Amino acid sequence: LLLESGGNWVLPGGSLTLSCAASGITFSGFPMTWVRQAPGKGLEWVAGSCNSGTTFYADSVKGRFTISRDNSKNILYLQMSSLRVEDAAVYYCAASLSSDWCGPDIWGRGTVVTVS
Amino acid sequence: DVVLTQSPLSLPVTLGQPASISCRSSQSLVYSDGEIYLNWFQQRPGQSPRRLIYKVSNRDSGVPDRFSGSGSGTEFTLQISRVEAEDVGVYYCMQGTHWPPITFGQGTRLGIK
Repeated sequence: LLLESGGNWVLPGGSLTLSCAASGITFSGFPMTWVRQAPGKGLEWVAGSCNSGTTFYADSVKGRFTISRDNSKNILYLQMSSLRVEDAAVYYCAASLSSDWCGPDIWGRGTVVTVS
Repeated sequence: DVVLTQSPLSLPVTLGQPASISCRSSQSLVYSDGEIYLNWFQQRPGQSPRRLIYKVSNRDSGVPDRFSGSGSGTEFTLQISRVEAEDVGVYYCMQGTHWPPITFGQGTRLGIK
């Protein structure tokens, strides 16, 4: 089970940190991903926390967003700064079902970020 | 970046009839290990996405066998043999062969006629 939190309304230029609490999976052993969905739009991959501590970002958020994880607490984070109107979306965290694949397999319910 | 183009974007189907969704990639999705990292997701109204198919044709646990995936290279298809009311939603293909970034198709909205 993945449960996101931290979504809120924020002014353009502001900052926000999202959290994703994982239960029922061996969190430390699996890559994790953030994917977002703007209102009425499709899915957009945002960032991945892969094995060996490597992280990857979409060009649209590089330098503004930071993905991190606390394996002792089974929590994934997404620190967002310099937020733009176009960052408004439902943000989903997702876990990989395989340790050698850094993609979204199991998804949480999402948390809403509003930027205006 | 790899562009995935789905068609049709809207698919009205009669209950009990088959449905087919196409996903075309801007480049071959065969990875150096020989695998093809092309997955299909279903997003029912008001819900988060759920993976149905992974690596082209492997059905996830709990997914009805009326769902099947096929394809190779740059052309992929999700088929539903007999559409049921619970299948209403948006379907997305996704590639993880050439990443970052992981990319998704635009989505196909399946509805009931």
